[in-house]
Amino acid sequence: LAKTTQPISMDSYEGQEVNITCSHNNIATNDYITWYQQFPSQGPRFIIQGYKTKVTNEVASLFIPADRKSSTLSLPRVSLSDTAVYYCLVGHSGAGSYQLTFGKGTKLSVIP
Amino acid sequence: DVKVTQSSRYLVKRTGEKVFLECVQDMDHENMFWYRQDPGLGLRLIYFSYDVKMKEKGDIPEGYSVSREKKERFSLILESASTNQTSMYLCASSSDREAVEQYFGPGTRLTVT
Repeated sequence: LAKTTQPISMDSYEGQEVNITCSHNNIATNDYITWYQQFPSQGPRFIIQGYKTKVTNEVASLFIPADRKSSTLSLPRVSLSDTAVYYCLVGHSGAGSYQLTFGKGTKLSVIP
Repeated sequence: DVKVTQSSRYLVKRTGEKVFLECVQDMDHENMFWYRQDPGLGLRLIYFSYDVKMKEKGDIPEGYSVSREKKERFSLILESASTNQTSMYLCASSSDREAVEQYFGPGTRLTVT
């Protein structure tokens, strides 16, 4: 199983760009990378997913270098409502089995 | 919107009791998952199911079992609850085979005394 490492916490001011990096040194060839956001008293919510290079959607960007041993979630111009815990997930499915490894989460605090 | 519901938000049980946690999804997803979430440990996969009556162990299945008699419902069973099973339990479902995008329920906070 790929082991993932994320910073425990980060602080940012409103309006700034925030980058959260997840390390996954032993990622497998068929592993994909996904990021989730979790607010208190709620289940995690899907943000973005990628395999390599850069992916962008309406809420975030995901940067994955060529060696895929890390990935960076980028949140542009954060607001107070982005205060949450962010998890990276590395995994794949195959032959009726799932290999899913969540990181321990990064608590992002956005400061006014 | 996909909706995943869990039978209870909070549950308190005694050591040795049999505990049932129920999860229902309304989007006809084939894949369903049970996780537990603990401070400092993140989410850990207990069991998953990719079809009715099909189940597979995740990373930490010991002390748990599951049941999936209908496509929309996935139950987690603690045969004999212990204090180390005090945790937040999260159910999720996914339509894609890779389970890239999982939809989570709100969670059940289980306390075993």
